[in-house]
Amino acid sequence: QVQLVESGGGLVKPGGSLRLSCSASGFTFGGYSMSWIRQAPGKGLQWISYISHTSTYTSYADSVKGRFTISRDNTKNSLFLQMNRLTDEDTAVYYCARDGPATDDTWGQGTLVTVSS
Amino acid sequence: DIVMTQSPDSLAVSLGERAAFNCKSSQSLLSRSNNKNYLAWFQQKPGQPPKLIISWASSRELGVPDRFSGSGSGTDFTLTISSLQGEDAALYYCQQYYETPRTFGQGTKVEI
Repeated sequence: QVQLVESGGGLVKPGGSLRLSCSASGFTFGGYSMSWIRQAPGKGLQWISYISHTSTYTSYADSVKGRFTISRDNTKNSLFLQMNRLTDEDTAVYYCARDGPATDDTWGQGTLVTVSS
Repeated sequence: DIVMTQSPDSLAVSLGERAAFNCKSSQSLLSRSNNKNYLAWFQQKPGQPPKLIISWASSRELGVPDRFSGSGSGTDFTLTISSLQGEDAALYYCQQYYETPRTFGQGTKVEI
């Protein structure tokens, strides 16, 4: 079945870096655009980044632009998010999601990123 | 950025009763090129990722019970649950995908 599994979250100090991964299975990964969406503890959803299926086009929320980089490896069915210069406002569960015919139709279970000294 | 505003923030509904809540966008989500509204509804239960239940403002995703229906066009949208079941207690978010950054409403919590 269609599945997305995030990994790479953890505790990091302010100013530090982290690289998240999302492993896809059950569908033709290279045929779909993908997104990262985050949810701070007890808060709502925030879309943060998008990448087209061939990596031609990427987009970022203003809050992460210049600090985060989205990428993918279609040969390994994997999506990545490189996060640099992290602050406590980046503390959240990070979800990867498949961009279906309309919007984000499949989500992973998420990986928790905690930024704290 | 398009601002999405949901109302109310929460509502309590009895089992079997109808629940309806709203989502308003700061600009029209209706595309003139295909006459579609770029509006989705997600359901999120505690400890789970969001689940897409409605896209294009009124199209139910596969497997979503027909008690869920979406309506509206332009800037004003409604999600209706016709006969509330226990498993419908959740947070519901609207999302616009008309343009990036895609933005979500703050959520409506439905309690039994």
